[in-house]
Amino acid sequence: DGGITQSPKYLFRKEGQNVTLSCEQNLNHDAMYWYRQDPGQGLRLIYYSQIVNDFQKGDIAEGYSVSREKKESFPLTVTSAQKNPTAFYLCASSIRSSGSSDTQYFGPGTRLTVL
Amino acid sequence: GEDVEQSLFLSVREGDSSVINCTYTDSSSTYLYWYKQEPGAGLQLLTYIFSNMDMKQDQRLTVLLNKKDKHLSLRIADTQTGDSAIYFCAEAAGNNRKLIWGLGTSLAVNP
Repeated sequence: DGGITQSPKYLFRKEGQNVTLSCEQNLNHDAMYWYRQDPGQGLRLIYYSQIVNDFQKGDIAEGYSVSREKKESFPLTVTSAQKNPTAFYLCASSIRSSGSSDTQYFGPGTRLTVL
Repeated sequence: GEDVEQSLFLSVREGDSSVINCTYTDSSSTYLYWYKQEPGAGLQLLTYIFSNMDMKQDQRLTVLLNKKDKHLSLRIADTQTGDSAIYFCAEAAGNNRKLIWGLGTSLAVNP
């Protein structure tokens, strides 16, 4: 089955710790995205990557870091510099980031709670 | 700047039609999308429409696009309790086709 997987589904972290959220896709998509979702605020783009070994900051990149060493993987690290990390994190991918429809497909999400 | 607006809540009775509305500002939008999110889950693509189309129908779903007014709507016929979810409208705007998201409309279906 093709799709996007995110792990873990729930993650708890102590204040001051870094934590890495996993996102893997086997759709052979070029582009991958990380969003943060807070109640009443919709989706906000953290980082995106159009191609392996390249990524760009989204609207709220501060306190986050990413890597794109493989086409199928785009892990997100929430660092201790992120002041309010408790949120629902969504990963998405699309076949390409420019040109035609470029429809984004989403993973199931990871809920991060900072204790 | 670019903006997408939706009403936050909609309540309908089971069996009725639901109409969820969305307005956008970027006239260069190429594609407009509707996604569905159930509690605690990711977003599921429902349908999308290219900006040169006026209407698209897919089973119980009908999308209407009024480019002049920059208005998009999603009609769900014969709404069921399983349709209760948050519905997001998004437009692909700008040269990099970044998606601009609405805040979502929470649809409640009452038996």
